[in-house]
Amino acid sequence: AQSVSQHNHHVILSEAASLELGCNYSYGGTVNLFWYVQYPGQHLQLLLKYFSGDPLVKGIKGFEAEFIKSKFSFNLRKPSVQWSDTAEYFCAVNARASNYQLIWGAGTKLIIKP
Amino acid sequence: DAGVIQSPRHEVTEMGQEVTLRCKPISGHNSLFWYRQTMMRGLELLIYFNNNVPIDDSGMPEDRFSAKMPNASFSTLKIQPSEPRDSAVYFCASSLALTEGSGELFFGEGSRLTVL
Repeated sequence: AQSVSQHNHHVILSEAASLELGCNYSYGGTVNLFWYVQYPGQHLQLLLKYFSGDPLVKGIKGFEAEFIKSKFSFNLRKPSVQWSDTAEYFCAVNARASNYQLIWGAGTKLIIKP
Repeated sequence: DAGVIQSPRHEVTEMGQEVTLRCKPISGHNSLFWYRQTMMRGLELLIYFNNNVPIDDSGMPEDRFSAKMPNASFSTLKIQPSEPRDSAVYFCASSLALTEGSGELFFGEGSRLTVL
């Protein structure tokens, strides 16, 4: 079955630390990849997306993600996190195999210690 | 442009009462999704519509839940009768038609439901 895995359910970092959140998917063929962020008490909003082209995608607030097709991965990175990055981060994938419905990872709760 | 608009933002009701949640998608979007989010189960897709037609309602937990989309600018999610375990944040989201190269969802602010 098609699935999206986010390996870390909770991550705690200090301010200025570097961040990498893992995301792996189990689809063949062409995929579209997304990272969404949900700040405490708010709705989900798009952080960045990959459809095609340069596999290194830059999003808002200094986030980036790299699509590595051979590893079926789309890891999210930020070189230096801030307290305001405390949020839950969701990876999502769609593909022709899922009729382009988004399949969601379970989310990673990120806590940044001031 | 106005985003996805949901109402009410908060609802507190008693077990057994009927609850109706409303959603206005972004104008021009063809697809509409209802999600439920809880601490225990995370984000769950309940149902989605394409061009006002329900496509997949396999996520609707039971017959107490129903959803309608009478036109392109309005959808409702109804729970009758409500139970305490229905307490959650219900998100509505919309997107352009689901085709290759698409799939970005725009979420509303959510309706926080508490059933006592």
